[in-house]
Amino acid sequence: KAGVTQTPRYLIKTRGQQVTLSCSPISGHRSVSWYQQTPGQGLQFLFEYFSETQRNKGNFPGRFSGRQFSNSRSEMNVSTLELGDSALYLCASSFSVTGELFFGEGSRLTVL
Amino acid sequence: GQQVMQIPQYQHVQEGEDFTTYCNSSTTLSNIQWYKQRPGGHPVFLIQLVKSGEVKKQKRLTFQFGEAKKNSSLHITATQTTDVGTYFCAGKIEVSGSARQLTFGSGTQLTVLP
Repeated sequence: KAGVTQTPRYLIKTRGQQVTLSCSPISGHRSVSWYQQTPGQGLQFLFEYFSETQRNKGNFPGRFSGRQFSNSRSEMNVSTLELGDSALYLCASSFSVTGELFFGEGSRLTVL
Repeated sequence: GQQVMQIPQYQHVQEGEDFTTYCNSSTTLSNIQWYKQRPGGHPVFLIQLVKSGEVKKQKRLTFQFGEAKKNSSLHITATQTTDVGTYFCAGKIEVSGSARQLTFGSGTQLTVLP
């Protein structure tokens, strides 16, 4: 079966702009989580969604938001981009909220 | 805040040597998962441990979950060049009520010298 699909894979933005990243989970998976990965900070938890409801949110400012649709696809949005937002954004899906995570290839965001 | 600490940050070994990475949490974990990320790739699930004192093996990899469910380790016997990558532990921590958050350790980057 198809894996987790993230789009776009690469993008370049400038400070102050906003960005929307998309994630299509594995078919049948209802839980979607987002992580920010940077060389210095490792994998930082952003949000977790299950059946369109946000179950958990990490310690990120309100500029970071997300949502999940009825087909389990998820989007995350970052507004008023800052240089420090440059990172690899990873989406992961799982069948249940306690199961293993299947990660996508990630969306690499560069903020200039 | 609640954290999962992982050491060492980097490890270089000669091919054939053993390797161990350790995770420690300040709070009791519901479970712990281990992932491997190859250079340029994304994390891939290796295993999940749930029970206190649990030990699981996958070929040359041995995973342990501490008796207090606050620490875990991954041991690789006789490393091979295919073991190169960053190994992450991820602990399920209760954040409020029944909500649990998967918190990743900072990872151990393994280099295997041929």
